[in-house]
Amino acid sequence: DSGVTQTPKHLITATGQRVTLRCSPRSGDLSVYWYQQSLDQGLQFLIQYYNGEERAKGNILERFSAQQFPDLHSELNLSSLELGDSALYFCASSVDPSYSYEQYFGPGTRLTVT
Amino acid sequence: AQKITQTQPGMFVQEKEAVTLDCTYDTSDPSYGLFWYKQPSSGEMIFLIYQGSYDQQNATEGRYSLNFQKARKSANLVISASQLGDSAMYFCAMRERNAGGTSYGKLTFGQGTILTVHP
Repeated sequence: DSGVTQTPKHLITATGQRVTLRCSPRSGDLSVYWYQQSLDQGLQFLIQYYNGEERAKGNILERFSAQQFPDLHSELNLSSLELGDSALYFCASSVDPSYSYEQYFGPGTRLTVT
Repeated sequence: AQKITQTQPGMFVQEKEAVTLDCTYDTSDPSYGLFWYKQPSSGEMIFLIYQGSYDQQNATEGRYSLNFQKARKSANLVISASQLGDSAMYFCAMRERNAGGTSYGKLTFGQGTILTVHP
């Protein structure tokens, strides 16, 4: 158990819908990262937050947005869902991005868009 | 150019033998970190080992060691005394500094190597 929690574990929804994925980082970790794992794209970085502020952005679609709340949990919002958004979405956390600390991953949310 | 290259889509090893999973990387940043993660069929990403670019010695964690050859830009994972439970996908990843160079951000992953351990 990495200490990072993600809910829900599985999500099945239809095209055009909107979903919210939730992540709670490990105790003491200030930075949260979101990744998408799909068969065709592999593991890709989406976005990073540090202590409530956006720190880095990857190949995140405009239909996707995220935020980190004062209690440090984070949410990834996916809207106007398409079949191609079906993937495993991971949240990871680390202590302090000033150092190259390891990132600990949550168990992931498997999203299926039908 | 690929930042992380794992050239072995699949590897097979006999139980109790050692196996090396290859990883090469590309970066111009002198300060970076290299990671290996294991992803079993259940899907979770398990952190195995970390090597910093300034570390003088190769990292070791139990049966895992990282063969870090900086000049060749390679960071191979060595698993000694393989066990059936080692069968999984293995990812090599690199972390570089964000634009501005003040902090570290995303991990860039390779395509992974599927390791199968035979009894």
